[in-house]
Amino acid sequence: QSALTQPASLSASPGQSISISCTGASSDIGDSDYVSWYQLHPGKAPKLIIYDVNNRPLGMSDRFSGSMSANTASLTISGLQAEDEGDYYCASYTSTTTLENVLFGGGTKLTVL
Amino acid sequence: QVDVVQSGAEVKKTGASVEVSCKASVGYIFTHNYIDWVRLAPGQGLEWVGRIDYNSGATNFAKNFQGRVAMTRDLSKSTVYMELGSLRFDDTAVYYCASRPHHYMYVWGQGTTVTVSS
Repeated sequence: QSALTQPASLSASPGQSISISCTGASSDIGDSDYVSWYQLHPGKAPKLIIYDVNNRPLGMSDRFSGSMSANTASLTISGLQAEDEGDYYCASYTSTTTLENVLFGGGTKLTVL
Repeated sequence: QVDVVQSGAEVKKTGASVEVSCKASVGYIFTHNYIDWVRLAPGQGLEWVGRIDYNSGATNFAKNFQGRVAMTRDLSKSTVYMELGSLRFDDTAVYYCASRPHHYMYVWGQGTTVTVSS
């Protein structure tokens, strides 16, 4: 299976809102209720941002939100802050009785100007 | 506070094997979790390697790694291990472990750099 498709890069100014899309096929992300988003900063452990499409883990800022439409999931970050700069990855979890798979997106590099 | 601690960087020759460990620190437990392994190669995106059920030891691997990856755990040490064999240059990557309570990776290790050279 190919990786999910994300824009390679995005940039915006502090205070603005951005959305990162994550597109796959009906057989992977389109067939999954389990889409999650992760934030990566160099040298640090990745951080869970959104799980199960639109849920925030405890303590995560409500500036982060997730949504899903057909075969595309989206992560929206509102009120951009400098510390939001980093790499963002979506992931889709699918399983059958005999097989499970986690498919990641190619990653989006977010620059806060 | 660091919940999950991974072993240090490794340099290996092509064709060799590497073992990376992932330990739950005091106050954090892996029970009822899967432990996933994910890698990030230079210039590439995240790639799922596979997972182990911490309780039962059952494993499930991504198709790309089947046949050359093994995952085990030592309950007495609160530690899981990933061994990747027949190393190739393109296995050079940062390898992460992450605890997965449901269908998402909740707590991640700091990553272990594996460099494959000739």
